[in-house]
Amino acid sequence: SQTIHQWPATLVQPVGSPLSLECTVEGTSNPNLYWYRQAAGRGLQLLFYSVGIGQISSEVPQNLSASRPQDRQFILSSKKLLLSDSGFYLCAWSPPGPSRANTEAFFGQGTRLTVV
Amino acid sequence: GDSVTQMEGPVTLSEEAFLTINCTYTATGYPSLFWYVQYPGEGLQLLLKATKADDKGSNKGFEATYRKETTSFHLEKGSVQVSDSAVYFCALSGGGSTLGRLYFGRGTQLTVWP
Repeated sequence: SQTIHQWPATLVQPVGSPLSLECTVEGTSNPNLYWYRQAAGRGLQLLFYSVGIGQISSEVPQNLSASRPQDRQFILSSKKLLLSDSGFYLCAWSPPGPSRANTEAFFGQGTRLTVV
Repeated sequence: GDSVTQMEGPVTLSEEAFLTINCTYTATGYPSLFWYVQYPGEGLQLLLKATKADDKGSNKGFEATYRKETTSFHLEKGSVQVSDSAVYFCALSGGGSTLGRLYFGRGTQLTVWP
């Protein structure tokens, strides 16, 4: 069966510090991968998605970047955090291929990031 | 573009009350529709889904019917429990959307009192 791991679960970082959140998926190959952010009192915002190694699409221009160095690894980064980067970050995956375009996504447990 | 509009919360109910959370969507093509649930401090879990018009998704006593004529996917439960307290998200994928990408509503906070 497929599983998704996301860490750390919580993180407190000072303004201006770097960020690295990691997500890995097991039990599947070539998944579509996603980073979402959930700000307090708001819905989910898609930040980045990837359909393959080295292929990253950004939905919203901002202070963050994403990378996919391996097939089942997705990393969210920042060189200098802002207060507005605080939120709940969720990694997700969905099966690859156009025949599964209407399938659901499966989410990790999330990372609560507080920038102070 | 594709979008989901979800009933604003919070919703507060007594145990055993009837629940309805409204969801309507805008999409090109033929999207699939989902309800996700988020318990405090956790990620999202798929609650139910429907992949074509008139399909009914159901799970844990919750139901939602894919209504193409009204572009709706309302979530219902006949008798809620305290353990149902969570945030509920309506979502769609497919249609004209980016491959596999989900479009979410803003979420509805449900609190059930004993």
